[in-house]
Amino acid sequence: GENVEQHPSTLSVQEGDSAVIKCTYSDSASNYFPWYKQELGKRPQLIIDIRSNVGEKKDQRIAVTLNKTAKHFSLHITETQPEDSAVYFCAALTEGSQGNLIFGKGTKLSVKP
Amino acid sequence: DAGVIQSPRHEVTEMGQEVTLRCKPISGHDYLFWYRQTMMRGLELLIYFNNNVPIDDSGMPEDRFSAKMPNASFSTLKIQPSEPRDSAVYFCASSFYWGGGTDTQYFGPGTRLTVL
Repeated sequence: GENVEQHPSTLSVQEGDSAVIKCTYSDSASNYFPWYKQELGKRPQLIIDIRSNVGEKKDQRIAVTLNKTAKHFSLHITETQPEDSAVYFCAALTEGSQGNLIFGKGTKLSVKP
Repeated sequence: DAGVIQSPRHEVTEMGQEVTLRCKPISGHDYLFWYRQTMMRGLELLIYFNNNVPIDDSGMPEDRFSAKMPNASFSTLKIQPSEPRDSAVYFCASSFYWGGGTDTQYFGPGTRLTVL
């Protein structure tokens, strides 16, 4: 089955710097990769996703890149702000298989003002 | 739309008691998912339903856990008897479609369960 590894587990950056979180997956058939943000005590919320027919997707300060050959994908946050502080989860799904969304263990991002 | 609704938000119970968690998915969503979140194991899928039918319950930890979806707007997750290791945050999520279409899962606020 699918296995998703996420690194780092914690990340601390200064406000205005960029943050990068990386995930690797094991199932080459996986083709849908969402990223969720979870603030303390809140629910996970989708912030961006990418499908395997696209190499990069951007939404304002957030971007996700996908390398299918290497089976890894990354979340990039530019010009970080204190409100970006949260736990970020990557996930992978093999579409069309009625399969499960497999989550990484999460990255706790702290943005220091 | 009110989003996914879960109740209760917090539950504290004693070992051996029955616990019932409730979820109302977003109207029109055909898929409903139950997750458990702990520090050690992260977010784990327990079971999911399509049109009220359980599709995959391989994540249900043991026979003490059961889930039902009697209609399109209501699902329950029951633990009987509960044990301290069941303490976690339980999330319900729903999706309009799954597996090749609009795959966004919308999470409820979660139920924080503490078993003493």
